Amino acid sequence: DAKTTQPNSMESNEEEPVHLPCNHSTISGTDYIHWYRQLPSQGPEYVIHGLTSNVNNRMASLAIAEDRKSSTLILHRATLRDAAVYYCILFAGNMLTFGGGTRLMVKP
Amino acid sequence: DAMVIQNPRYQVTQFGKPVTLSCSQTLNHNVMYWYQQKSSQAPKLLFHYYDKDFNNEADTPDNFQSRRPNTSFCFLDIRSPGLGDAAMYLCATSRDRRRLAADTQYFGPGTRLTVL
Repeated sequence: DAKTTQPNSMESNEEEPVHLPCNHSTISGTDYIHWYRQLPSQGPEYVIHGLTSNVNNRMASLAIAEDRKSSTLILHRATLRDAAVYYCILFAGNMLTFGGGTRLMVKP
Repeated sequence: DAMVIQNPRYQVTQFGKPVTLSCSQTLNHNVMYWYQQKSSQAPKLLFHYYDKDFNNEADTPDNFQSRRPNTSFCFLDIRSPGLGDAAMYLCATSRDRRRLAADTQYFGPGTRLTVL
């Protein structure tokens, strides 16, 4: 399975935008880029996914580099409820394989 | 609301005593998954069902088994729990494995298993 690399942790101030990076230099042409997050003591929650074009939904935006070797999850205004572990996952019609994720801490 | 339900949320068992965790879904999804998540680690897939077709991950120990009697329910059986099996067990569903790469998985809240 193609691998992803994410920073272990990041900090943000409340109500400021957050950019969570993910490197996936071995991505193949059919791999979708998925983001899930896991709030404390809860199961993972789908955030967003994309293939080539940037994507927006009510939770976040996903910016995908032109060569697809990296992507960035953008939370436009972080709230305290966004404090979670964010997982970037490459998905190619096989199973979700979670990597280490980024622990996002949001400061009031 | 349609959802993935796991019962119980917390389960305590004794070393070597069989335990069953349950998952139900109201989403009518074809695919159901079981993940194991140990403390401070990412979830790790154990196996999944596509309809009634069972698919085991290569490194899932034989101690772990699963049953899916119907579309809505799926069970995780641990035949002889060891101390190393203490973890959060997560159930998830998705609509259709054939378009899995573009599909979404819906997770339950998990069952935290303690082995004494």
